[in-house]
Amino acid sequence: NAGVMQNPRHLVRRRGQEARLRCSPVKGHSHVYWYRQLPEEGLKFMVYLQKENIIDESGMPKERFSAEFPKEGPSILRIQQVVRGDSAAYFCASSPKSSFRGGGETQYFGPGTRLLVL
Amino acid sequence: KQEVTQIPAALSVPEGENLVLNCSFTDSAIYNLQWFRQDPGKGLTSLLLIQSSQREQTSGRLNASLDKSSGRSTLYIAASQPGDSATYLCAVKGGSEKLVFGKGTKLTVNP
Repeated sequence: NAGVMQNPRHLVRRRGQEARLRCSPVKGHSHVYWYRQLPEEGLKFMVYLQKENIIDESGMPKERFSAEFPKEGPSILRIQQVVRGDSAAYFCASSPKSSFRGGGETQYFGPGTRLLVL
Repeated sequence: KQEVTQIPAALSVPEGENLVLNCSFTDSAIYNLQWFRQDPGKGLTSLLLIQSSQREQTSGRLNASLDKSSGRSTLYIAASQPGDSATYLCAVKGGSEKLVFGKGTKLTVNP
């Protein structure tokens, strides 16, 4: 029973390059969330996606960052023209259904991708 | 805007001690509160989830309480063990799907 999988686990990029982070949710989960953890900071919400739709991107920087969750395949968080300030751990989580206005569903977290920008 | 604060930021205790970690949040309109454990370089493991209608949840040596009206939660760890050493994160869910996290309490249990 595989949990949330993220790859790569570690990614090194030079300033100006692109970073692509992948997340495969728990099988059967159709809701994906991305969070970023800066050094010595708590996790901050970035974006919430359902299959083929971005539901809430209120935590996503307006420039250089994009996310998708296609009908087939993993969710992708893409960072263009990376800068040193993008160095962080990026966590993906998934849940089986929305609990909007309800109590319920736990979000299951992946092991994270640690991005280092040189 | 919801803000979550965890006190203390770090805690070091001898093995066998009972301890309490604190979490406070500014907006009491939450749907649930969750405690996670994070080991260095690893992901998050969910420990306990408390719905807004509940007052506490227990799992083994862990007990989490929730006082929604005062915006507080505590995580009680009984008979601590070195294997409990980790960072403990508190997160609340409000009217949207996103979780709002505190910065965590780094716990060290010394043998």
